[in-house]
Amino acid sequence: GENVEQHPSTLSVQEGDSAVIKCTYSDSASNYFPWYKQELGKRPQLIIDIRSNVGEKKDQRIAVTLNKTAKHFSLHITETQPEDSAVYFCAARISGSARQLTFGSGTQLTVLP
Amino acid sequence: ETGVTQSPTHLIKTRGQQVTLRCSSQSGHNTVSWYQQALGQGPQFIFQYYREEENGRGNFPPRFSGLQFPNYSSELNVNALELDDSALYLCASRIFGQNYGYTFGSGTRLTVV
Repeated sequence: GENVEQHPSTLSVQEGDSAVIKCTYSDSASNYFPWYKQELGKRPQLIIDIRSNVGEKKDQRIAVTLNKTAKHFSLHITETQPEDSAVYFCAARISGSARQLTFGSGTQLTVLP
Repeated sequence: ETGVTQSPTHLIKTRGQQVTLRCSSQSGHNTVSWYQQALGQGPQFIFQYYREEENGRGNFPPRFSGLQFPNYSSELNVNALELDDSALYLCASRIFGQNYGYTFGSGTRLTVV
């Protein structure tokens, strides 16, 4: 089955700096890669996603890049703000009937004021 | 605010007992997936239901079972609870066939003592 590895597990940045979180996946049949933000005690919320036919996608301060050859994808947050502090999860989905998501282990991002 | 609601929000059970968790999907969403999120980890896929039938299952034993009803609400049942079953249980709904749009509920925090 699919395996997703996520790094780093914790990340601290100064407010205004950029943050980068990286994930690798194992199954080349994966075709959809969402990123979720989860604040303490709350549900995961989709912040951005990318499909395998696209190399990069941007939404304001957030961007995701995908390298299918290397089987890795990254989340980039620019001009970080304290409210960006949360746990971020990457996920990958293999094409198929169930289309379940396989999640990484999460990155605790702390933005220091 | 998300249309996916879960109940109860918190639950404490004794080892060996049985538990039923409930999920009401977002309007129009005919597919529901259940995930287990242990503390400090990413969600793990349990199973998925579409048209009241299970159509995908992760690496969970048969004592984890589910139901989906005609109104697209669903239940997760866990028999013979073990201490390791303590986790946040999340349901996610979507429209079958769509390549995106997994909407998560806020989860049920289950503690097994």
